[in-house]
Amino acid sequence: DAGVIQSPRHEVTEMGQEVTLRCKPISGHNSLFWYRQTMMRGLELLIYFNNNVPIDDSGMPEDRFSAKMPNASFSTLKIQPSEPRDSAVYFCASSLQGTMNTEAFFGQGTRLTVV
Amino acid sequence: DQQVKQNSPSLSVQEGRISILNCDYTNSMFDYFLWYKKYPAEGPTFLISISSIKDKNEDGRFTVFLNKSAKHLSLHIVPSQPGDSAVYFCAARSNTGNQFYFGTGTSLTVIP
Repeated sequence: DAGVIQSPRHEVTEMGQEVTLRCKPISGHNSLFWYRQTMMRGLELLIYFNNNVPIDDSGMPEDRFSAKMPNASFSTLKIQPSEPRDSAVYFCASSLQGTMNTEAFFGQGTRLTVV
Repeated sequence: DQQVKQNSPSLSVQEGRISILNCDYTNSMFDYFLWYKKYPAEGPTFLISISSIKDKNEDGRFTVFLNKSAKHLSLHIVPSQPGDSAVYFCAARSNTGNQFYFGTGTSLTVIP
């Protein structure tokens, strides 16, 4: 398996524009997570899906952020409108829930810069 | 509120010596703990884990210790090597869900 695939790797956009980050989880995994990495909060959990259903979105910072998982092999994180303070690295991760102890596998991340 | 805390942002160690990275947590429902390693421009990769029913897990040069009464875990790397230089994240999972909560990371530098 190619692992978790995120696109784009880098995104530079102007304030006020819509940004869409994409993620393809590992085939067969049933849990998907979106994280944001910042110096202050480390890896901050934004939202968690299980079997394509959002289970916990309490980490989504504002209504400007939304996430979808239309099927088991694809998820998006959208920011509309984007602001400079959204600049960070966004990671997608997947895991197989149901096994006793298993780790989350991360993608390479998307570095977002909002100018 | 940060449920997993790594209070040391950075650590420098001489090659061959022991590196000790620390992590504290607040949620008593956490039952599975992990350490991840992250190189620049890459995603975090799993390093080692420990279940709450154990107090120690060893894998080669890496050992994780868990002290449940103190809500504290640590990662020992011995001997440390320059290739171990990276950011290390502590993570925990609750027995009530499948979410992984991460700390702020500790940047380890191993000096040759």
